Amino acid sequence: EPEVTQTPSHQVTQMGQEVILRCVPISNHLYFYWYRQILGQKVEFLVSFYNNEISEKSEIFDDQFSVERPDGSNFTLKIRSTKLEDSAMYFCASRLVLETQYFGPGTRLLVL
Amino acid sequence: GESVGLHLPTLSVQEGDNSIINCAYSNSASDYFIWYKQESGKGPQFIIDIRSNMDKRQGQRVTVLLNKTVKHLSLQIAATQPGDSAVYFCAENLSSGSARQLTFGSGTQLTVLP
Repeated sequence: EPEVTQTPSHQVTQMGQEVILRCVPISNHLYFYWYRQILGQKVEFLVSFYNNEISEKSEIFDDQFSVERPDGSNFTLKIRSTKLEDSAMYFCASRLVLETQYFGPGTRLLVL
Repeated sequence: GESVGLHLPTLSVQEGDNSIINCAYSNSASDYFIWYKQESGKGPQFIIDIRSNMDKRQGQRVTVLLNKTVKHLSLQIAATQPGDSAVYFCAENLSSGSARQLTFGSGTQLTVLP
């Protein structure tokens, strides 16, 4: 069964450093998403991406965040200058046309 | 201000019993709902979904009930097994907008007792 994959599974970085989180969505899917989950809290929407552009973003997704689909398979989330409060699990999700979104296993980001 | 961790509702059931997990959703304009299961350290896993034009949908060992009048969703798990232990989230989709991003509920920790 096809699934969303994410790398790395864990990332530790120093405050102020740039990180890139990578995702490979399910191959024929058209809509891509990033969510985050701070430890012990709800899963929160960050951004959605369709047809090579951002379609919606939340207030969390500020100028420090960017997304890119550099080729036909990868979907990346970049945080330019990480802050302590960026520490969270970051989940990528994708869907075809119908609403069901399928999530990857997540990247645990720890900012020191 | 200080960020406070969410107090997660918990439900403990005996193995073999039925479980009912409840969720109150926020937006009367939501037209699609999903239940996800999240095991420790993993991503949300799709369980079952329901559209707002339905009030009940059944899957394998799971049933979702939707009450739009009171904006309430429930997940029933029949014959609960140890592998069902996880956090269960409901999520809703607003009918407007093409992005169809999900808004998640706060989750319920289900523990299956032997």
